[in-house]
Amino acid sequence: AQTVTQSQPEMSVQEAETVTLSCTYDTSESDYYLFWYKQPPSRQMILVIRQEAYKQQNATENRFSVNFQKAAKSFSLKISDSQLGDAAMYSCYQGGSEKLVFGKGTKLTVNP
Amino acid sequence: DGGITQSPKYLFRKEGQNVTLSCEQNLNHDAMYWYRQDPGQGLRLIYYSQIVNDFQKGDIAEGYSVSREKKESFPLTVTSAQKNPTAFYLCASSINRGVGETQYFGPGTRLLVL
Repeated sequence: AQTVTQSQPEMSVQEAETVTLSCTYDTSESDYYLFWYKQPPSRQMILVIRQEAYKQQNATENRFSVNFQKAAKSFSLKISDSQLGDAAMYSCYQGGSEKLVFGKGTKLTVNP
Repeated sequence: DGGITQSPKYLFRKEGQNVTLSCEQNLNHDAMYWYRQDPGQGLRLIYYSQIVNDFQKGDIAEGYSVSREKKESFPLTVTSAQKNPTAFYLCASSINRGVGETQYFGPGTRLLVL
């Protein structure tokens, strides 16, 4: 079975600091992408960042970057210069041709 | 503005009743999806549709039904066979069901059982 594991149910960070959210996955598919989605209190899911599994270069979107370790099946999200608006549930997602699998999420609190 | 709308925001179901959740998109996307979200669990796929008049079961399709008569619309019916329907339901769409396509989500519907 394909799985996505987020081992940190909750995390907190001070405003302006850096935080890393972890995600590991297990898949038998050779062609897949990995995503991080953010779900603020409004509960609407918003794309944060996307990584093509065949690319070794880590994706970056402004203050958000990933550390993709394909051999270890690890896909962590780093948030730099954390802002109050970053407080949300963050979900890791693996999308392949056969399965679409979300992790259970990590609730991030940003302290002023 | 292009986007996905879901209605209603809150829905109450009585025992033995079927209820239908609406999902509409004006993004001209071919693929649409329904997910269920429970506390402490990740999103789980109920059904998805790659094209009009075609849909596929996801991981938890039992007790649910869908239709896709128009490209813009993908309603989900929660039938009386679904014994634990209380959850938050999210609809999403993507350009197609290709690997790596970004899914865009609606604001969700909260279903509660009376």
